[in-house]
Amino acid sequence: AQSVSQHNHHVILSEAASLELGCNYSYGGTVNLFWYVQYPGQHLQLLLKYFSGDPLVKGIKGFEAEFIKSKFSFNLRKPSVQWSDTAEYFCAVNVYKLSFGAGTTVTVRA
Amino acid sequence: GAVVSQHPSWVICKSGTSVKIECRSLDFQATTMFWYRQFPKQSLMLMATSNEGSKATYEQGVEKDKFLINHASLTLSTLTVTSAHPEDSSFYICSARIGGTGTWGGYTFGSGTRLTVV
Repeated sequence: AQSVSQHNHHVILSEAASLELGCNYSYGGTVNLFWYVQYPGQHLQLLLKYFSGDPLVKGIKGFEAEFIKSKFSFNLRKPSVQWSDTAEYFCAVNVYKLSFGAGTTVTVRA
Repeated sequence: GAVVSQHPSWVICKSGTSVKIECRSLDFQATTMFWYRQFPKQSLMLMATSNEGSKATYEQGVEKDKFLINHASLTLSTLTVTSAHPEDSSFYICSARIGGTGTWGGYTFGSGTRLTVV
């Protein structure tokens, strides 16, 4: 069965700093990869997804992620964060079902 | 497009009672819906997969008789927490697959239901 590992439990950074959240999965076959964001008190929203093609995926709100097949990774990046990026971020992998990582809490200080 | 409406958004019930949570796909037909449970500061754990017109498939460790799932139509799936206890207090989220074979676009999520059992 596939599993998803997110390296950082809680990340605290200042506005304008760069953000990178790690995500690794364990499955040797074809996968579909997602990053979701959950703002305080709100439901999950899709940031970006990778199905196939260009491994560098651009999403909403200035986020991007890079799929590195050899490393089984799908790390999320944003060059310059804003206070409004404070949220919980989930990496998810779909093989036969959608499996989520434990999530990373991102706190951006103004 | 592809919106899933989940109700209620929060509910408080007494221990021993049952609570029903509804999930409706508003602008598409959802042949498959998923029910997740999320504990505070933790990830979403898949509880079960429901397919329209057939029995739900439960994940290991999820009590079928406690968490009753019904998917009677292409736009409605319900989760009933029976004989609720305080340990059932959690955030429950439904999700639907977007698109069909060859056009799959991922998943869309409901806004979640905060259940508190007192």
